[in-house]
Amino acid sequence: NAGVTQTPKFRVLKTGQSMTLLCAQDMNHEYMYWYRQDPGMGLRLIHYSVGEGTTAKGEVPDGYNVSRLKKQNFLLGLESAAPSQTSVYFCASREQGPTNTEAFFGQGTRLTVV
Amino acid sequence: RKEVEQDPGPFNVPEGATVAFNCTYSNSASQSFFWYRQDCRKEPKLLMSVYSSGNEDGRFTAQLNRASQYISLLIRDSKLSDSATYLCVVGFQKLVFGTGTRLLVSP
Repeated sequence: NAGVTQTPKFRVLKTGQSMTLLCAQDMNHEYMYWYRQDPGMGLRLIHYSVGEGTTAKGEVPDGYNVSRLKKQNFLLGLESAAPSQTSVYFCASREQGPTNTEAFFGQGTRLTVV
Repeated sequence: RKEVEQDPGPFNVPEGATVAFNCTYSNSASQSFFWYRQDCRKEPKLLMSVYSSGNEDGRFTAQLNRASQYISLLIRDSKLSDSATYLCVVGFQKLVFGTGTRLLVSP
């Protein structure tokens, strides 16, 4: 019963390096989300997707790209990492349907950019 | 103005106290409303959904006021284990979080 799985769980990057964070869900959910959480800031929405092949910008999309080529996977890319992208990244998925469907979260990816 | 606003707290209360949190939102088209709980920067977990008619789950009561665009959470008979950050979540397809309200329950 995996639910939402994020890979990797920890990563240290040097400024300018690129990387991709993977989010995989096994619940056949239509909606998927990427958030970042910084101290005192709550969760801020980076990008989200309402179905395979679709993506949309959230509150803080700059410096990130996403892709949803398969329904179960939502990838978050950092093309040229900056120290300001040091954060905890959470992925979530949610069923399409009645309005109050629950969002399930992965355990987070702790990223440090030095 | 942020789409979803909460008082960050912390709220320090003794065990057994009743405490209430409010959250305001700016997008009148929002249709989905939740309270999530987060412990020590772990992943958020659903506490309860919020419905227009109000709803209760044990010691927790949530209410939605669409006219004034706010939702509330009431916790009765606080327990030590209620110490956490409570996150207000609003949206529809897009879900936006408030900054969270930290609750500390002391013996």
